[in-house]
Amino acid sequence: DQQVKQNSPSLSVQEGRISILNCDYTNSMFDYFLWYKKYPAEGPTFLISISSIKDKNEDGRFTVFLNKSAKHLSLHIVPSQPGDSAVYFCAATDSGYSTLTFGKGTMLLVSP
Amino acid sequence: DTAVSQTPKYLVTQMGNDKSIKCEQNLGHDTMYWYKQDSKKFLKIMFSYNNKELIINETVPNRFSPKSPDKAHLNLHINSLELGDSAVYFCASSPGYRTEAFFGQGTRLTVV
Repeated sequence: DQQVKQNSPSLSVQEGRISILNCDYTNSMFDYFLWYKKYPAEGPTFLISISSIKDKNEDGRFTVFLNKSAKHLSLHIVPSQPGDSAVYFCAATDSGYSTLTFGKGTMLLVSP
Repeated sequence: DTAVSQTPKYLVTQMGNDKSIKCEQNLGHDTMYWYKQDSKKFLKIMFSYNNKELIINETVPNRFSPKSPDKAHLNLHINSLELGDSAVYFCASSPGYRTEAFFGQGTRLTVV
């Protein structure tokens, strides 16, 4: 039972363009969402988060959008850089649970 | 000055053996976790400890036993290893609940 879904296993984008990574969730109790980035042979590193009281959060080139009614969030990277090539995990948690539920990840490849 | 470190990075062992993975964090966090990333790439929570006390124990076989000697350490002992235990195991820590977790580099366990 996947409560957090990332339906695109991979995404290819040219350097300088926008990367849009999508994530859907089914658990309506989730109210805090995070994106992690993972390079091969390393652990995931935190990128950006958003609370359900917001619909947008921005940090430099990274913006996360949350659509609660659609149970959908997306991560926008503008402009994309080759160093952004990694696996991106969407994660969610609720107010009564301390751990994160992760999606399967989307591999982003940014080509020069 | 690694924030969350786990050893070993790679572990190859035979079925039936008992092995341990060590984890240490120097961030002063109260909460530590073990996650498992299986062959399907899902990151799933196994255990959560807060101030050395077990908070969450997901449906993990009791062959897996976490041990937290102090707040900065959370080790994972696995008895009678099975082929299906092959995965990457990640240790993580966070300052509290509903905050981003910091992950170690992972331990790739291969049971042959």
